[in-house]
Amino acid sequence: QSVLTQPPSVSGAPGQRVTISCTGNTSNIGAGYDVHWYQQLPGTAPRLLIFGNNNRPSGVPDRFSGSKTGTSASLAITGLQAEDEADYYCQSYDVSLSRSRVFGGGTKLTVL
Amino acid sequence: QVQLQESGPGLVKPSQTLSLTCTVSGGSISSTTRGNYYWSWIRQHPAKGLEWIGYIYYSGNTHYSPSLRSRVTISVDTFKNQFSLTVSSVTAADTAMYYCAREDSSGYRFDSWGQGTLVTVSS
Repeated sequence: QSVLTQPPSVSGAPGQRVTISCTGNTSNIGAGYDVHWYQQLPGTAPRLLIFGNNNRPSGVPDRFSGSKTGTSASLAITGLQAEDEADYYCQSYDVSLSRSRVFGGGTKLTVL
Repeated sequence: QVQLQESGPGLVKPSQTLSLTCTVSGGSISSTTRGNYYWSWIRQHPAKGLEWIGYIYYSGNTHYSPSLRSRVTISVDTFKNQFSLTVSSVTAADTAMYYCAREDSSGYRFDSWGQGTLVTVSS
């Protein structure tokens, strides 16, 4: 059972917009700690996709965006492309779990 | 651009100790010029999500996940620009892909990852 809750799967057609939610509590996201998102393509290591709730590292297309409100965060992908098919993970920091770094369970994005 | 590479045995027998090393290139583990970093281990059970194991700072300070603290040790060798993970008394539940990663201490984000190494616990 992951500390942060994500939907197991989402899907969308090419060109569409999809969102992935990440729900925490008052010990992590709700305590004001940043949410980060990672993309894991099949057979590869995760890579940082969004940091600090809504910032993109260099090289990440602006089709990817993040937001945070209260105890939840969201990742939005617009103009969906086949190459976006991957697993997506949110991550934050939790004060109640001995200063642990916590992840969501991951969401499988399928491009139809 | 810093790069990380895991190495170590891919097969460990139950009750034994798992040992992995992460070699860092393209930057010094000890450098704080461009920020402070924690050198971390994260694992991923087959077809499962990510689990943070712990980190070490170049000074040797460590912090571990509460769920693994009793069995995990992370150490650093700044001369070799490497850091290492040991997990004692392993069971099949420790079978996973193990990643080393760099954590930016200013925001608790993992901005660089190794490619990962699969460790299987089996007799």
